[in-house]
Amino acid sequence: QVTLKESGPVLVKPTETLTLTCTVSGFSLSNARMGVSWIRQPPGKALEWLAHIFSNDEKSYSTSLKSRLTISKDTSKSQVVLTMTNMDPVDTATYYCARIPRHTATTFDYWGQGTLVTVSS
Amino acid sequence: AIRITQSPSSLSASTGDRVTITCRASQGISSYLAWYQQKPGKAPKLLIYAASTLQSGVPSRFSGSGSGTDFTLTISCLQSEDFATYYCQQYYSPDGVTFGGGTKVEIK
Repeated sequence: QVTLKESGPVLVKPTETLTLTCTVSGFSLSNARMGVSWIRQPPGKALEWLAHIFSNDEKSYSTSLKSRLTISKDTSKSQVVLTMTNMDPVDTATYYCARIPRHTATTFDYWGQGTLVTVSS
Repeated sequence: AIRITQSPSSLSASTGDRVTITCRASQGISSYLAWYQQKPGKAPKLLIYAASTLQSGVPSRFSGSGSGTDFTLTISCLQSEDFATYYCQQYYSPDGVTFGGGTKVEIK
């Protein structure tokens, strides 16, 4: 059974750095065909892709947020970590991690439940 | 970046209706388009990928079509559990994926 679960702070202050962890089970981060992505959704708004990482450590970032994002993985812990620097209230959103089932097609077949992060002083 | 315009942003329909949602890409994306369903407070669920391939376990009343810049999601006979928000997503661009703005399907 494939599962993903996000964890991290529920509240961060403006200018702080957000660190989110996605812990996966039911598949391996060393699987050559698969990857994990981070996607966010501000309250009442649409989905926004942030970044993804594959087993070969290939990474890709949203062009608009690239300077603020870092994605990494720890295969032994089955975890993917996203850091976002210089948080702002507009970054308030539910953050999801999701599995990419095929390296050649970046769709998302399994999602975590999401974690709501609020940016406020 | 490839922009995805989804329409309508919302619609009202009745159980049993046929519903159509469209997405238009700002440039050709071949068939690299997926559709998701999202219910309130829940994560999105993959319905269709490669524009027309039904994800395993998704009811056959859902179908997708299109290629290039224009795509359609059709629900042939709307069921009560289909009232939700639907998103399209392109994955053609090497710069990363983008989502449409969403279509909320409400009960008439």
